[in-house]
Amino acid sequence: GQQLNQSPQSMFIQEGEDVSMNCTSSSIFNTWLWYKQDPGEGPVLLIALYKAGELTSNGRLTAQFGITRKDSFLNISASIPSDVGIYFCAGPPYGGSQGNLIFGKGTKLSVKP
Amino acid sequence: NAGVTQTPKFQVLKTGQSMTLQCAQDMNHEYMSWYRQDPGMGLRLIHYSVGAGITDQGEVPNGYNVSRSTTEDFPLRLLSAAPSQTSVYFCASRRYYQETQYFGPGTRLLVL
Repeated sequence: GQQLNQSPQSMFIQEGEDVSMNCTSSSIFNTWLWYKQDPGEGPVLLIALYKAGELTSNGRLTAQFGITRKDSFLNISASIPSDVGIYFCAGPPYGGSQGNLIFGKGTKLSVKP
Repeated sequence: NAGVTQTPKFQVLKTGQSMTLQCAQDMNHEYMSWYRQDPGMGLRLIHYSVGAGITDQGEVPNGYNVSRSTTEDFPLRLLSAAPSQTSVYFCASRRYYQETQYFGPGTRLLVL
């Protein structure tokens, strides 16, 4: 089946640093979603991307829909301690049922004050 | 709106016991899904529903049953709990024309 590969698996950064993470697939996706999960909570949607090449921002977060439609990137600028959590990419499988999403395994972000 | 609610928050079961995890949403969303989250595995789809009376299997359906008698509720049943079902379970919902899903706070299940 279709899979989403996220990298890196984990990151340990200093407060104030910028962060970059990405998500790749061997298959085409028509939508890319980025979620954040705080410890002990359910995932919360950060950014949704619907068009190849699209660049969308949400505060200090910027995400891009890769031009090949097989990848997506998430950047966080000037990280702060509350950015700690797990970041997931997700998308509906191409040609698959409309009822589900495929998730990557996540990038765990730790921020040192 | 309460959004997506899940009960219980925590549960300990013995092997072979059965139980039902409850999920409800008050946003009139057509689609509802159950995921399990295990360390290093991300979220894996168990079952989903595209409307009342319609359910389908996801990636890891074995050992779980679902039904959808109303738009609001989507319970997940463990028929005979096994230690391999120790996990965190998330319910999610969305409108049929949107891909963005809204997640509940999760149920943490330990099977001994």
